[in-house]
Amino acid sequence: GIQVEQSPPDLILQEGANSTLRCNFSDSVNNLQWFHQNPWGQLINLFYIPSGTKQNGRLSATTVATERYSLLYISSSQTTDSGVYFCAAGTSYGKLTFGQGTILTVHP
Amino acid sequence: DAMVIQNPRYQVTQFGKPVTLSCSQTLNHNVMYWYQQKSSQAPKLLFHYYDKDFNNEADTPDNFQSRRPNTSFCFLDIRSPGLGDAAMYLCATGLGAPQHFGDGTRLSIL
Repeated sequence: GIQVEQSPPDLILQEGANSTLRCNFSDSVNNLQWFHQNPWGQLINLFYIPSGTKQNGRLSATTVATERYSLLYISSSQTTDSGVYFCAAGTSYGKLTFGQGTILTVHP
Repeated sequence: DAMVIQNPRYQVTQFGKPVTLSCSQTLNHNVMYWYQQKSSQAPKLLFHYYDKDFNNEADTPDNFQSRRPNTSFCFLDIRSPGLGDAAMYLCATGLGAPQHFGDGTRLSIL
């Protein structure tokens, strides 16, 4: 099956800093998504991005499908950005394989 | 408004006592998924339904079963819960589009 690796595993920032999270996947995929899991366990979809670049406010994501990686950019981080960021990839029937996540802590 | 609704939010059951978790969706999607997420781990797919077709992941234990009586509802049945089944169970929907998750049911085993 597909292998999904995320880096870094942990990231600590001061409020206002920028960061880049990386996701590598082992095979060609037609489904690549980024999620944020908040401290209450809710998993929120940030981007559905099998290829190309998308932006949503302070967040943006880029997937280079031919090179099998995706990047999530967080600009001007806020304490509410804290949590776990998951990348997930898949092919058939929308089934997703999740990476192990990046734990982000933003200090005021 | 919530698009994927899971009940209950917290569930406590006894070792070996069958338990059922429920999920409903208002998006009228063909596909519904169940994931298991243990503490400090990533969600792991247990199975999915495409319409009424049930598809089990190869490493999902036989202890886990599922029912989908109609498009909107899907149930996860754990026939004889063991201590290792304590986890967050997440239901989701979405094919060829962003996958939307419910808030999950956190299952504890006494």
